[in-house]
Amino acid sequence: DIVMTQSPLSLPVTPGEPASISCTSSQSLLHRNGNKCLDWYLQKPGQSPQLLIYLGSKRASGVPDRFSGSGSGTDFTLKISRVEAEDVGVYYCMHSLQAPLTFGQGTRLEIK
Amino acid sequence: EVQLVESGGRLVQPGGSLRLSCEASGFTFSNYWMRWVRQAPGGGLEWVASIEPDGSVEYYADSVRGRFTISRDNAKSSLSLQMNSLRGDDTAVYYCTGHNYYDTSGQVYFRGQGTLVTVSS
Repeated sequence: DIVMTQSPLSLPVTPGEPASISCTSSQSLLHRNGNKCLDWYLQKPGQSPQLLIYLGSKRASGVPDRFSGSGSGTDFTLKISRVEAEDVGVYYCMHSLQAPLTFGQGTRLEIK
Repeated sequence: EVQLVESGGRLVQPGGSLRLSCEASGFTFSNYWMRWVRQAPGGGLEWVASIEPDGSVEYYADSVRGRFTISRDNAKSSLSLQMNSLRGDDTAVYYCTGHNYYDTSGQVYFRGQGTLVTVSS
């Protein structure tokens, strides 16, 4: 199974400041079709997970452009250019390269 | 309006069975991969099972293989999860999600609100 490791696990951020979350996989997430099989999700308090980024760097519909995804191979990053209060929640990376799909442990973003 | 509405979660005894349903509307259900993802109380997200758009292939987490069965009825735009031999560690909120990373309209993901399954005597 592919192991997904996120850091940090807790991320206190001042509004207006940038934030970055790292996700490392135990093997390359590059599909033979050239796609990077890595998603980022945000689970806001009391809600189901919403998709932010798919295929490594594609922003999902309705996601603000302050969110961006980058990376390749085994190392991926989610960046928030300017954190807002509504960004509070737990962020998860997940690979979709092959079954079983696995999530990272989650990174809890809180506002300072 | 796009909707995924889960139902069927309840309190069940260990060893018991339960069938979860997810009713979809507002999108072309048969074009989407469907997944069940669960979250134990206070825990992280865990993928449970997936099924291809035409229902031809199913995938399972090792923790549920042989006990759970995912299925879909594209004519009714519905997804199911038959859960047998339930254990305490199956206690979780179960989420239904739909994915199509290649949808040309940009609607690549839909999510339900979740249904709570509690396995306890």
